[in-house]
This record gives sequence, structure tokens and C-alpha cells, in this order.
Amino acid sequence: GENVEQHPSTLSVQEGDSAVIKCTYSDSASNYFPWYKQELGKRPQLIIDIRSNVGEKKDQRIAVTLNKTAKHFSLHITETQPEDSAVYFCAASILTAGGTSYGKLTFGQGTILTVHP
Amino acid sequence: DAGVIQSPRHEVTEMGQEVTLRCKPISGHNSLFWYRQTMMRGLELLIYFNNNVPIDDSGMPEDRFSAKMPNASFSTLKIQPSEPRDSAVYFCASSLAVGRQYFGPGTRLTVT
Repeated sequence: GENVEQHPSTLSVQEGDSAVIKCTYSDSASNYFPWYKQELGKRPQLIIDIRSNVGEKKDQRIAVTLNKTAKHFSLHITETQPEDSAVYFCAASILTAGGTSYGKLTFGQGTILTVHP
Repeated sequence: DAGVIQSPRHEVTEMGQEVTLRCKPISGHNSLFWYRQTMMRGLELLIYFNNNVPIDDSGMPEDRFSAKMPNASFSTLKIQPSEPRDSAVYFCASSLAVGRQYFGPGTRLTVT
């Protein structure tokens, strides 16, 4: 089955700096890679996702890059703010119409991001 | 538009009691997932359904855990009998089989 490794486990940055979180996956058939943000005591919330037919996707201060050859993808947060402090999870899935994964996600272990004012 | 709904939000029970967690997925979604989250083990997938049919329950820790989805708008996760090590936050999530997965607010279970 799929295995997703996420690094680093903790990341501390100063406000305004950039933050990068990296994930690798094992199943070359995976074609969908979402990122979730979980604030303390809250649910994981989808913040951005990318499908394997693109190499990069941006949404304001966040971006995700995908390297299918190397089987890794990364989350980039620019101009970090204290409210970006949370646990971030990457995940991988096989989304294929008529396939058998049914949208099952395999999650990384999470990265605790702390943004210091 | 309502998101995934879970109840109760908090549950405190004594060891040996039966616990039932409930979930209403987003209308129109046909896949439903139950997760457990703890500090030690992170986010674990327990079981998931597609079109109300259980597809993979390999994450269910023991026979004390069972899940049902009698219709497209309701699912339950039952623990009987409960044990202190079952204390965790249980999340339900739903998606279209080829779409984005959305989480409910979770049920914080404490077994004393």
C-alpha cells in the first residue's frame, strides 16, 4: 500500500519568513495530493490540493509543487503570519473514475509549524 | 450548505460502557471515512464506505469496534465495551469518490 513520509516534524520560523514542508510517497499510481491544516482543537481543513497533471499550484501565500519522477511534493508558505501556526498534513491518493480507491487518503505524520511574531 | 455533522461533540464514559458516535456526510457525497486521532498514533483511518458499503475495515483496531452505514446520510461508529485506550478524537469525513475529502468537527471521547 501507499506510504507517505513528511518532514520536518516541527518547524519554527519568524513572521514574514517562508516555510517549506516536504512529503514523499511510495505508490507511483498516486495522482492526487491534498494538504490539510489543523489548528489546535479543530478539524483538519483542506487548504490546497494538486493533481498529477500539473507541477505547481498557487493560492495567495501558499503553493504546492509536485515532482512525479522523484515522487515528492512540497507545501510552500510565504510571508508567514502567526495565524499560520498549526499542524500541517500532506496526503496522497489515487483518484480514478471507476477505480477502487474511493478517495482513500494516506496521510503523512504531520508538521507542527510555529510562526513567532 | 452544511458540512459534515458529527455527534456528540464530547463524550465521557466509564470503561466497559457502549459508545456510539454518529456522522452525517455532506449531501451527495458517496464515500465516508472514520478516523481516529491521538498524539501517539496521529491520524488513523479506521474504516471507509462507498455507496453505503464498507470497503476496507482493516484499520479497525479490535472486534470491539464496529461501524455501519444504513443509508447515504448516516453512519455510526460503535465501541463496545469501551476501554481507556480508546480515548481519542474521532473524525468522520466524506467525499465524492474522485473528489476532495472534508472532515467533520470530531467527537472527543474520554473513557475513564
